[in-house]
Amino acid sequence: SAVISQKPSRDICQRGTSLTIQCQVDSQVTMMFWYRQQPGQSLTLIATANQGSEATYESGFVIDKFPISRPNLTFSTLTVSNMSPEDSSIYLCSVVAGAPDTQYFGPGTRLTVL
Amino acid sequence: QKEVEQNSGPLSVPEGAIASLNCTYSDRGSQSFFWYRQYSGKSPELIMFIYSNGDKEDGRFTAQLNKASQYVSLLIRDSQPSDSATYLCAVNEGNQFYFGTGTSLTVIP
Repeated sequence: SAVISQKPSRDICQRGTSLTIQCQVDSQVTMMFWYRQQPGQSLTLIATANQGSEATYESGFVIDKFPISRPNLTFSTLTVSNMSPEDSSIYLCSVVAGAPDTQYFGPGTRLTVL
Repeated sequence: QKEVEQNSGPLSVPEGAIASLNCTYSDRGSQSFFWYRQYSGKSPELIMFIYSNGDKEDGRFTAQLNKASQYVSLLIRDSQPSDSATYLCAVNEGNQFYFGTGTSLTVIP
């Protein structure tokens, strides 16, 4: 398995500002994902962040709005830029570890944009 | 487009009963299958995985896989109120993971 931490756990931000969410894993992993989950809704994949390559974004998500860094095999950041109330959500990072390849999720960051 | 489908529920069962959660998937190339539990306001937590046809038991949980029919199910025996949560089915194919929308389970004391 993998132990994942995220910072911050929650934040309240003003419209137009940016927030960077950090994801730290206790072991080296190749595959890391960023998800968004609205209350009562299912997971929505934002992007895949593999070390050594550019992040791959899903349809509807763009790098200018959600820039991602993946400087090493244990750490990644997701920035939510120029926020609007529609960005209010829980943001989750996840990693793939173990055999068979299994996704493990961080505790999430609850973002509220006013 | 690869799909993973679950009945959204809500599914209600009395305490002590067996809860049965079902999931179907569209791609026969899928290799591994996962069940996650997600409490309200929390992140998904892995319950168990299965990749061979048949049953796999872990405590009160049993996962069942039928690749020919493309479905995977989760049985929860002796359901407890603490089992009340949303259960997510996920399918892995290569480097891709596909999640269902989840089934909400309520165990009534």
